[in-house]
Amino acid sequence: DVKVTQSSRYLVKRTGEKVFLECVQDMDHENMFWYRQDPGLGLRLIYFSYDVKMKEKGDIPEGYSVSREKKERFSLILESASTNQTSMYLCASSPGQGRAKNIQYFGAGTRLSVL
Amino acid sequence: DQQVKQNSPSLSVQEGRISILNCDYTNSMFDYFLWYKKYPAEGPTFLISISSIKDKNEDGRFTVFLNKSAKHLSLHIVPSQPGDSAVYFCAASPTSGTYKYIFGTGTRLKVLA
Repeated sequence: DVKVTQSSRYLVKRTGEKVFLECVQDMDHENMFWYRQDPGLGLRLIYFSYDVKMKEKGDIPEGYSVSREKKERFSLILESASTNQTSMYLCASSPGQGRAKNIQYFGAGTRLSVL
Repeated sequence: DQQVKQNSPSLSVQEGRISILNCDYTNSMFDYFLWYKKYPAEGPTFLISISSIKDKNEDGRFTVFLNKSAKHLSLHIVPSQPGDSAVYFCAASPTSGTYKYIFGTGTRLKVLA
């Protein structure tokens, strides 16, 4: 089974703090994604990466950056957390090749509260 | 502007009956669609997909129908079971060769025993 692990289930941070959300996948997937989920808005793509050190902006990248130094790990960084970044953050990965190349596998999510 | 819409935020169905979850999209370039199921405190899990060359795809109790002219897809669950109670998201992609999806807002299904 594919396993996507997010380092924290719950986080509480203060406005202005730098926040790191970590995600690790164990299936050698090419692609990794960060989404946020908000009530009434569904899942919105923040950033994705299709290879080590490669990244592309999603639909809502403002206020976020990402890092992918190793294939299995994809980090989401909030440079200076703000209250409007309080949300559920979901990491996903997809194989990038083969029959199921675009099926995304999700972690359990990190609920971030910025006070 | 929501390109993928799930207009019913919630749905309740009796156990054993059919559940029908609907999804509408606006972008005619979308040609690959997926359904995900999400339980509380878990990430979404892939359920079933369909490409635009088909109008139906079936996997056990789950069937997805695609009506390209109406830009509409639906997920049928027959028979519904209490374990199907979850939030269901549809997602669309402009081509099966890309890895970027647009997700709907989700429909919460409750199957009553």
